Amino acid sequence: NAGVMQNPRHLVRRRGQEARLRCSPMKGHSHVYWYRQLPEEGLKFMVYLQKENIIDESGMPKERFSAEFPKEGPSILRIQQVVRGDSAAYFCASSPPGTGGWDGYTFGSGTRLTVV
Amino acid sequence: GQNIDQPTEMTATEGAIVQINCTYQTSGFNGLFWYQQHAGEAPTFLSYNVLDGLEEKGRFSSFLSRSKGYSYLLLKELQMKDSASYLCAVRTYNTDKLIFGTGTRLQVFP
Repeated sequence: NAGVMQNPRHLVRRRGQEARLRCSPMKGHSHVYWYRQLPEEGLKFMVYLQKENIIDESGMPKERFSAEFPKEGPSILRIQQVVRGDSAAYFCASSPPGTGGWDGYTFGSGTRLTVV
Repeated sequence: GQNIDQPTEMTATEGAIVQINCTYQTSGFNGLFWYQQHAGEAPTFLSYNVLDGLEEKGRFSSFLSRSKGYSYLLLKELQMKDSASYLCAVRTYNTDKLIFGTGTRLQVFP
């Protein structure tokens, strides 16, 4: 049973380009969460999605950032017109349906975005 | 809103015991999680508390007091590989997401 898969592992983009980060949740998991981590800082919540639905996007910047989790395929975090301040590690986590328990919230290895 | 505080850095000696504290302020508390994160790697789950008291799992234990908004992670018989960041996170009833503190970077010395 593969874990949460994120790709690419490393991504370099020039200022103004688009970055697309992919996350495939664990098998049986239908909830996906995206987090951003700046160097030497904690994880900042960005967005929580279920299949074809954005449940909570309170942590998403108002412009240039979008996320989706289609019926088929991975969840995508898209950053348009990247700027140097977008350089960070972006982690995806997934959890199974239902709440209340501890199991779930398995993290992927992250995508390290560098904007040059 | 939610506020989670933990010390930024701690140091300890191999074989010793260390306690990492976490205080939080939140409404609708629905669980506190501890994760370990080595540099450049994904966070990995360590423990979960939703009721008051101590949860023990091998060398790691976690304690929760909901009335005080306080938790700690206790690491016993420290090993060099325990050098990592330890992240405290809170979940609330109105959402499934975890809100993380800034993490505590622990360095274990021989």
